[in-house]
Amino acid sequence: DQQVKQNSPSLSVQEGRISILNCDYTNSMFDYFLWYKKYPAEGPTFLISISSIKDKNEDGRFTVFLNKSAKHLSLHIVPSQPGDSAVYFCAASGGVRGGSRLTFGEGTQLTVNP
Amino acid sequence: ETGVTQTPRHLVMGMTNKKSLKCEQHLGHNAMYWYKQSAKKPLELMFVYNFKEQTENNSVPSRFSPECPNSSHLFLHLHTLQPEDSALYLCASSQDRVQQYFGPGTRLTVT
Repeated sequence: DQQVKQNSPSLSVQEGRISILNCDYTNSMFDYFLWYKKYPAEGPTFLISISSIKDKNEDGRFTVFLNKSAKHLSLHIVPSQPGDSAVYFCAASGGVRGGSRLTFGEGTQLTVNP
Repeated sequence: ETGVTQTPRHLVMGMTNKKSLKCEQHLGHNAMYWYKQSAKKPLELMFVYNFKEQTENNSVPSRFSPECPNSSHLFLHLHTLQPEDSALYLCASSQDRVQQYFGPGTRLTVT
């Protein structure tokens, strides 16, 4: 049972434009959401997070939006840069077996073309 | 060294071998994790340790045996693995339940 899903395995965007990465979840007990970025041959690095008490969190070029009623979150990157090309993972925390467990999506490969 | 380190970075082993993966965190965190990442699949949580005590075993086969001698070190002992165990094994640490910091991973190939 895939509780966190990223339905787009890949996304290609032109430099300077907006990148929008999407994530859907099924467990209504999730109360904290994170985005991680992963370059090849490196581990995932934390990018930005949002608590379920908010619907938006912004950090520089990165903004995460949370729609609890739709169980959907998205990551906006604007303007996109070639260095943003990486795999982006959505993760959720909480639920019945919450505690320190993070549930990850499959990842979306973002390619930003110069 | 800072952050979370993992050794070796690459490992090729036969199905009858015994090997160990090592993880060390220099962040003063109290929780450590092992994840498995197979191609085109989400990261799968394998084990969680809090203050050196195992708090979660996510139905991992016994051919994977974790060890946490202290809050800074985590090992994954491997024996009689199968080719389908080939994957990227990631270690992570955290101080609270949410944000986890990952090491670079060990790329394991079982032949």
